[in-house]
Amino acid sequence: AQSVTQPDIHITVSEGASLELRCNYSYGATPYLFWYVQSPGQGLQLLLKYFSGDTLVQGIKGFEAEFKRSQSSFNLRKPSVHWSDAAEYFCAVGATDSWGKLQFGAGTQVVVTP
Amino acid sequence: DTEVTQTPKHLVMGMTNKKSLKCEQHMGHRAMYWYKQKAKKPPELMFVYSYEKLSINESVPSRFSPECPNSSLLNLHLHALQPEDSALYLCASSQNRDLYGYTFGSGTRLTVV
Repeated sequence: AQSVTQPDIHITVSEGASLELRCNYSYGATPYLFWYVQSPGQGLQLLLKYFSGDTLVQGIKGFEAEFKRSQSSFNLRKPSVHWSDAAEYFCAVGATDSWGKLQFGAGTQVVVTP
Repeated sequence: DTEVTQTPKHLVMGMTNKKSLKCEQHMGHRAMYWYKQKAKKPPELMFVYSYEKLSINESVPSRFSPECPNSSLLNLHLHALQPEDSALYLCASSQNRDLYGYTFGSGTRLTVV
């Protein structure tokens, strides 16, 4: 069965500092990987996704993620965090044989301090 | 149009009420989904519709009844809900079940009193 692990429940980062959020997946087939961000009381916003090709993926709001098959990871990075990046971040995995289902990780809460 | 539109945005209902959530997309997507998200938790899949037919029901209680009248519209009918059903209900669509173009709506925040 597919699964997604986000090891960090909560991360605090200073404004202007770099951010890295970890995501590990377990899936037998080739995974399709997504990162979403959710602000309080809001819906999900897609930051980026990986289906195939270049393993370094650029997304919106200055985020990027790198797919590492050997480590079963898809970590999200941002070089310089802004206060508006404070939110909940979800990694999700799917596959062509998953009947459209996305399996989400538990999420990482990011707090940005001045 | 690249959006999934959900109405209403907020809904408060009593345990004896019947209400419906609506989801609409005009992207030509043939797969549509309902997810449930409790506070401080990730979204969890409830139902998958593919070409207007129910493909997956993730063991959802019968008080939740999905309906797909046409390829653009997905409803979720609610009846005799419990307070623990209070959550954010998210609709999504994709081109097919292949996950291309996966798009979420902004959700309906449901409170059961």
